[in-house]
Amino acid sequence: AQSVAQPEDQVNVAEGNPLTVKCTYSVSGNPYLFWYVQYPNRGLQFLLKYITGDNLVKGSYGFEAEFNKSQTSFHLKKPSALVSDSALYFCAVRDRGGSYNTDKLIFGTGTRLQVFP
Amino acid sequence: SQTIHQWPATLVQPVGSPLSLECTVEGTSNPNLYWYRQAAGRGLQLLFYSVGIGQISSEVPQNLSASRPQDRQFILSSKKLLLSDSGFYLCAWGRPLQETQYFGPGTRLLVL
Repeated sequence: AQSVAQPEDQVNVAEGNPLTVKCTYSVSGNPYLFWYVQYPNRGLQFLLKYITGDNLVKGSYGFEAEFNKSQTSFHLKKPSALVSDSALYFCAVRDRGGSYNTDKLIFGTGTRLQVFP
Repeated sequence: SQTIHQWPATLVQPVGSPLSLECTVEGTSNPNLYWYRQAAGRGLQLLFYSVGIGQISSEVPQNLSASRPQDRQFILSSKKLLLSDSGFYLCAWGRPLQETQYFGPGTRLLVL
């Protein structure tokens, strides 16, 4: 079964410093990986995805993620954190299957990013 | 552009009362539609998904049901709410056979 793991419940970073939010995956076949962000009491916003191609994927709000096949990881990164980046971040993997052959997403448990001024 | 709406934004209901949450999508046709529940501000659990009118797949047995009476309308229902139904309910849409899902603003349900 497809799965993703986010090993850190919370990540604390000072504003202006680089940030990394970790994600590892377990899939059969080629992984389709995603990052979403959730601000308090809001729905999830799509940040970026990896399907194929370059291992470094650029997304919204200056975020990027690095796909590493040998380490089965897809860590989210940003060179310089902002206080406004403080939110809950979810990694997800596509799970194709089921009776309708439709795409489902399997989400990690989320990592809370706190950026301090 | 596409837009997804959910209502109500918040709801407080007594145990044993019925539930109806609505989700609609604008600006696209024949979307895949999804209902998720997020408990305790963390993990998302897929409840139902639909690839077309009247086609509903349930992911977990529970007190809830879903219906899709129109192409871009997805409804989450319950005949009798339980305390454990409290949570944040998120609707999402995606294009068929494409990977990305786009989420609505959510409905916060509190069952007392």
